[in-house]
Amino acid sequence: NAGVMQNPRHLVRRRGQEARLRCSPMKGHSHVYWYRQLPEEGLKFMVYLQKENIIDESGMPKERFSAEFPKEGPSILRIQQVVRGDSAAYFCASSLGTTDTQYFGPGTRLTVL
Amino acid sequence: AQSVSQHNHHVILSEAASLELGCNYSYGGTVNLFWYVQYPGQHLQLLLKYFSGDPLVKGIKGFEAEFIKSKFSFNLRKPSVQWSDTAEYFCAVKTTSGTYKYIFGTGTRLKVLA
Repeated sequence: NAGVMQNPRHLVRRRGQEARLRCSPMKGHSHVYWYRQLPEEGLKFMVYLQKENIIDESGMPKERFSAEFPKEGPSILRIQQVVRGDSAAYFCASSLGTTDTQYFGPGTRLTVL
Repeated sequence: AQSVSQHNHHVILSEAASLELGCNYSYGGTVNLFWYVQYPGQHLQLLLKYFSGDPLVKGIKGFEAEFIKSKFSFNLRKPSVQWSDTAEYFCAVKTTSGTYKYIFGTGTRLKVLA
């Protein structure tokens, strides 16, 4: 029974490049959440998606960041024109329903050179 | 704004020592409370959760936590730690007023010496 899968686990990008982070939720889960953990801080909510819908993106930076959860395939968190301040661990979580427990993936550690 | 505080950022213990990690939150309403653990290189794993009922919650691997509403606290305990408990521990809170956002503390890195 696979848990939440994220890839890649580590991603290195140069300033100005694009970063694509993928998340496959647990089997049967249709609710996906992205969180970001900056150094020495706790995880902070970014965005909540259901299949083909963005429900809440109040935690997403206004520019350069976007997320999607298509009908088929994983959820994607996309960061355009990365800057050093984007270096962080990005965690994905999934749940059965909105009020159910969230289960987390191993995270993607993004390093921007 | 709601917040979660974990006061111990780094804890070092010898095997068989007792563990208590503090977690305090700021929110006046009803909450759901969680402790997650992240072993090196692995995903965040749910240790235990409190939704309602008995404020003393037992989780996996011998961990337990006590919800003290008057103190806005949800401290994690284990009577005797093992080397394999070396990990980072996160406390999280979800307000039950329809929100799905988890608010996390900054985490506590526990190192258990063999």
